[in-house]
Amino acid sequence: AQKITQTQPGMFVQEKEAVTLDCTYDTSDQSYGLFWYKQPSSGEMIFLIYQGSYDEQNATEGRYSLNFQKARKSANLVISASQLGDSAMYFCAMRDEGGYQKVTFGIGTKLQVIP
Amino acid sequence: GAVVSQHPSWVICKSGTSVKIECRSLDFQATTMFWYRQFPKQSLMLMATSNEGSKATYEQGVEKDKFLINHASLTLSTLTVTSAHPEDSSFYICSARLLAGGRSSYEQYFGPGTRLTVT
Repeated sequence: AQKITQTQPGMFVQEKEAVTLDCTYDTSDQSYGLFWYKQPSSGEMIFLIYQGSYDEQNATEGRYSLNFQKARKSANLVISASQLGDSAMYFCAMRDEGGYQKVTFGIGTKLQVIP
Repeated sequence: GAVVSQHPSWVICKSGTSVKIECRSLDFQATTMFWYRQFPKQSLMLMATSNEGSKATYEQGVEKDKFLINHASLTLSTLTVTSAHPEDSSFYICSARLLAGGRSSYEQYFGPGTRLTVT
């Protein structure tokens, strides 16, 4: 079974500063993918970044980077130069790459950017 | 980019009635669509995996007869909440995966969600 753990229910960050959102996972699968999604108050889920379990380099997408430490089973999201529009819920998720490729979500972290 | 729509965006219905929610992939084909439910201040919980032309696969604890899923085409999946009750009130979100390979094939694209309130 897959499990995603996000231990930070809420985080504050000053505008223009960087912030790290923690995510650890547990799986017995050899091949899996790790995702981060942003959910603003409107409810839509916005894809941010993806890391494959066999990718050797950490994924980056603009201001987002994923700090992937496979041995520690962690996949932290780093947001650089925070903006007010970054205030939202952030979900870490994992997908097994076999079968139906089911995605399991963490409980989320609420990020608030302070001006 | 890939767009997934849901209709309706919100619905209020009376207890005992049925409600149908549509999920469409607008500019791509999706052999697999997923239905999630999200209660307030909680994470997304997968309800079922919908494959075009075959029966949906339901997660443990999700009643198949209550949450009817039909994936009739590569661009449309529907979720029908039958005999809805107040405890079914929730935010329902669908997602779809691209059919083709390539970099984007690993991405799931989410619909904007449907807020269901059962009175």
